[in-house]
Amino acid sequence: AQKITQTQPGMFVQEKEAVTLDCTYDTSDQSYGLFWYKQPSSGEMIFLIYQGSYDEQNATEGRYSLNFQKARKSTNLVISASQLGDSAMYFCAMREVSGGSNYKLTFGKGTLLTVNP
Amino acid sequence: DTEVTQTPKHLVMGMTNKKSLKCEQHMGHRAMYWYKQKAKKPPELMFVYSYEKLSINESVPSRFSPECPNSSLLNLHLHALQPEDSALYLCASSFTGTPDSWGTDTQYFGPGTRLTVL
Repeated sequence: AQKITQTQPGMFVQEKEAVTLDCTYDTSDQSYGLFWYKQPSSGEMIFLIYQGSYDEQNATEGRYSLNFQKARKSTNLVISASQLGDSAMYFCAMREVSGGSNYKLTFGKGTLLTVNP
Repeated sequence: DTEVTQTPKHLVMGMTNKKSLKCEQHMGHRAMYWYKQKAKKPPELMFVYSYEKLSINESVPSRFSPECPNSSLLNLHLHALQPEDSALYLCASSFTGTPDSWGTDTQYFGPGTRLTVL
């Protein structure tokens, strides 16, 4: 079974509108971290935002926020006021602490976001 | 500053060549990583160095040889590669390299090296 599932291969949004990218995860750990990365066509993986499994509040970083629903094992990324420069591939990733996988990030397959003018 | 640098940006090599990829960070991070990414796929972990020691080798073929000369530098030596090894090679670093660190340890990536093997 996939540990990280991103069900939207591609998404389109109009400039200045908000968009939500979905991510669900599967783990039996109590302690884990959830990350979102942006990868433009240039290739660099840019860290956007982090949510810890024990965090009570949804994480927010500028125009990025997470809708973290622990019981449903989902951590959706919300991008507000989309800009043309937001067009990129977005990866959701999880880092588990137990089971010897401490260093590993498990990535989803990604969602390709296109922002239309 | 969360900068990880990688050189070269692009590399074209023949199957008999020997080349090296270089990664550098000056953030005081003690864990460094090599990933391989094929087009339209997520990155795949290859190696992890923790405190300059190889911690994880994800069953990578021996034609890829990592090296960590010091805490700021990570190399990937390439020899006798195959065309299917053509990919984007990403380096990353994170603050801690201890097994008991929480899942909070963010990995910061470099811009990558686009490798083409002819």
